[in-house]
Amino acid sequence: DAGVTQSPTHLIKTRGQQVTLRCSPKSGHDTVSWYQQALGQGPQFIFQYYEEEERQRGNFPDRFSGHQFPNYSSELNVNALLLGDSALYLCASAAGAGTGELFFGEGSRLTVL
Amino acid sequence: DQQVKQNSPSLSVQEGRISILNCDYTNSMFDYFLWYKKYPAEGPTFLISISSIKDKNEDGRFTVFLNKSAKHLSLHIVPSQPGDSAVYFCAASAEYGGSQGNLIFGKGTKLSVKP
Repeated sequence: DAGVTQSPTHLIKTRGQQVTLRCSPKSGHDTVSWYQQALGQGPQFIFQYYEEEERQRGNFPDRFSGHQFPNYSSELNVNALLLGDSALYLCASAAGAGTGELFFGEGSRLTVL
Repeated sequence: DQQVKQNSPSLSVQEGRISILNCDYTNSMFDYFLWYKKYPAEGPTFLISISSIKDKNEDGRFTVFLNKSAKHLSLHIVPSQPGDSAVYFCAASAEYGGSQGNLIFGKGTKLSVKP
């Protein structure tokens, strides 16, 4: 049983560019959350998707947007990249409209130059 | 303004001894607390949780204690093993029984268990 899978694992972008990160939830899970983990910090909640809609959102600007597909997979899009967007982006999935335990993927390491 | 604080960036313990990791929080609305463990190049994995209606929860070698009046929780690992060496994150939620999606994490404590 595959867990949460994320792609790409590493990527490098330049300031002003746009990036799309992808996540496939654990089998049987219908809720996907995205977190940003900057170096030396704990993960910070970006937003959560359930039934293809954004249910909750953390304190992130509109440059951060997402999408959930009918198969429950999800994308995180970041526009107009800033140097401060360099971080590990973690996807987490859960079952039962998010009431179950969160399972995290290994993350996508984004470097903005 | 950090709502969940782990004031010890690192902790070193001898194998077989007790490891105590501490966490403080400021938001009195938090009513569900979790500990996650993270190895390098892996995502965080859930370890143990406690709700605000309890003051202790135990799972094998891991016990979490909650002191609501002090807004403090701690994770005890007894006995500590070298495989426990990892970064431990304390997390909190104001949605007990609801979504675990919106968790507030501390900065983590790196535990090193020496053989």
